[in-house]
Amino acid sequence: QSALTQPASVSGSPGQSITISCTGTSSDIGTYSLVSWYQQHPGKAPKLIIYEVAKRPSGASNRFSGSKSANTASLTISGLQTEDEADYYCCSYAGSNTQIFGGGTKVTVL
Amino acid sequence: QLQLQESGPGRVKPSETLSLTCTVSGGSITIASYYWGWIRQPPGKGLEWIGSIFYRGNSFYNPSLKSRVTISVHTSKNQISLRLNSVTAADTAMYFCARIPKPGGQNDFWGQGTLVTVSS
Repeated sequence: QSALTQPASVSGSPGQSITISCTGTSSDIGTYSLVSWYQQHPGKAPKLIIYEVAKRPSGASNRFSGSKSANTASLTISGLQTEDEADYYCCSYAGSNTQIFGGGTKVTVL
Repeated sequence: QLQLQESGPGRVKPSETLSLTCTVSGGSITIASYYWGWIRQPPGKGLEWIGSIFYRGNSFYNPSLKSRVTISVHTSKNQISLRLNSVTAADTAMYFCARIPKPGGQNDFWGQGTLVTVSS
């Protein structure tokens, strides 16, 4: 199992939209629609913001949206706000009841 | 409100065994379909899935850690535990426990994490 591939950093100005990609293989993202995304602020536990590719849990902002195409999943943050500055991680089911995470993306609000 | 709380020694010596407990409150770990997992994060680095367990004892592990990891469930105490053998400095990390509402699903509730340092 190799980690899913995410860009190390993405930045944007307040109000803009940004997209974070998460690339896997045909053994994980390409086969299963079980991709989740997590937001992590410094010193805090990760927080679920997207599950099953595009579903939002209760309490998650509707400015977060997810999608998937072939072996790549994406997280879009619309109307970027200062509070969105954090690390973001994707995660996919990889078969046999295992999970695999991406390396993480640091989002900076300019 | 569901809460997960990790606990255990903050320091472990190289070659010894790391042992952690996750205490679940506000809900039973025996609720059908829920799995419970462990995830770690070395300082300044990304998340790594360690493994998960169903309350009936079915456990699943990251292939890269499988030879050293044991996850157990203790239903009478509403706890799950993690044991990692033969630790090295590379096992220094924040260790989180989390709930997984269905097989292969997302980690929807997380504990605050506990930092374990491997050092003599």
